[in-house]
Amino acid sequence: GAGVSQSPSNKVTEKGKDVELRCDPISGHTALYWYRQSLGQGLEFLIYFQGNSAPDKSGLPSDRFSAERTGGSVSTLTIQRTQQEDSAVYLCASSLGRTGNEQFFGPGTRLTVL
Amino acid sequence: AQSVSQHNHHVILSEAASLELGCNYSYGGTVNLFWYVQYPGQHLQLLLKYFSGDPLVKGIKGFEAEFIKSKFSFNLRKPSVQWSDTAEYFCAVNAGYGGSQGNLIFGKGTKLSVKP
Repeated sequence: GAGVSQSPSNKVTEKGKDVELRCDPISGHTALYWYRQSLGQGLEFLIYFQGNSAPDKSGLPSDRFSAERTGGSVSTLTIQRTQQEDSAVYLCASSLGRTGNEQFFGPGTRLTVL
Repeated sequence: AQSVSQHNHHVILSEAASLELGCNYSYGGTVNLFWYVQYPGQHLQLLLKYFSGDPLVKGIKGFEAEFIKSKFSFNLRKPSVQWSDTAEYFCAVNAGYGGSQGNLIFGKGTKLSVKP
């Protein structure tokens, strides 16, 4: 079956612009996670969804970052007024449940802020 | 707060050498432990996981890991590496059942380069 998909695969933007990153989880997976992978920082958790609710937003680095999930499926991560330090690979993962189940990762979106 | 430490940033081995990658975590409660691998140009994929039971777990491609609770460790091993094992390896932890966090806490990764 289809895995987790993300779009776009690459995004280059200018400092100060807003960007939207999309994640399509595996069908039937109720849990969805966003992570960020950057040089020197490794993989950092950003936000977690169970269904359409986000009980854990603790990893969002600033109020410029927000995310939503609709229909218990697709999720969008929005970064407003992008900064150069936002440059990273943004990874989405989904799983059947919450803690303990394997998380399946998408290919990521490479964001470059000029 | 939970954290994961991977001791080696970059490991270079010749084919057929044995591999051991260190991973230590800090969390006092029940944990689930994972090793993920990222081959060049590919997604992160699960190598193996530990939830409970036998502390020696076997994963794909001949990898295994041992959970030693007293040492808060979950080291990854392979008796004989191949060139195709060249990749970046990530150790990760999340709180076990009953914990409040479902997200994974990752180590910074270990790059493995295997020379043919």
